[in-house]
Amino acid sequence: SQQGEEDPQALSIQEGENATMNCSYKTSINNLQWYRQNSGRGLVHLILIRSNEREKHSGRLRVTLDTSKKSSSLLITASRAADTASYFCATESQANNLFFGTGTRLTVIP
Amino acid sequence: NAGVTQTPKFQVLKTGQSMTLQCAQDMNHNSMYWYRQDPGMGLRLIYYSASEGTTDKGEVPNGYNVSRLNKREFSLRLESAAPSQTSVYFCASSEQGTLAKNIQYFGAGTRLSVL
Repeated sequence: SQQGEEDPQALSIQEGENATMNCSYKTSINNLQWYRQNSGRGLVHLILIRSNEREKHSGRLRVTLDTSKKSSSLLITASRAADTASYFCATESQANNLFFGTGTRLTVIP
Repeated sequence: NAGVTQTPKFQVLKTGQSMTLQCAQDMNHNSMYWYRQDPGMGLRLIYYSASEGTTDKGEVPNGYNVSRLNKREFSLRLESAAPSQTSVYFCASSEQGTLAKNIQYFGAGTRLSVL
């Protein structure tokens, strides 16, 4: 399976703290995406980073990509209770399909 | 603008029954996908349709069939449901075709239980 793995599986932090979650994958990729899933809902795209990029920012989100280590990290700064959700990385390979990781469940405590 | 709409939202089947999950998108996207989501497994691709008139197997196609009825609609059929198909099913769509256009938009999901 080309499925990635997120680490940690679950993360609980206080509102205002930063949250970092990691993703490791197995094959070479064209790009890597992060998605968010609120409980009982579908996934929502957050950010895409291409294989030739090392870092990307979007609002309170910062994504890094290290293709030599086949890993990525998602940092959410100044977390809010509304950030409580599951976060998934997804890798896109030559076949253009996405392979999703197993997810990190983030809980932000008000 | 509804995005991706899935029906039904919930379904309970008995082993051996058949059913079709419906999906429609109003974003004029070329590509559509069916995934299943199981605890601890993330999302796994069942089938996809890169463009109208084509369908291809994903990672876990056994026990499923699909139909790309037109550009808007992509249905998933379980011919003889099994308890192992108890899952949450998500439909998604994307523009596809060029790099970085495979940002996928998801429906709200269908929660299926097979008894």
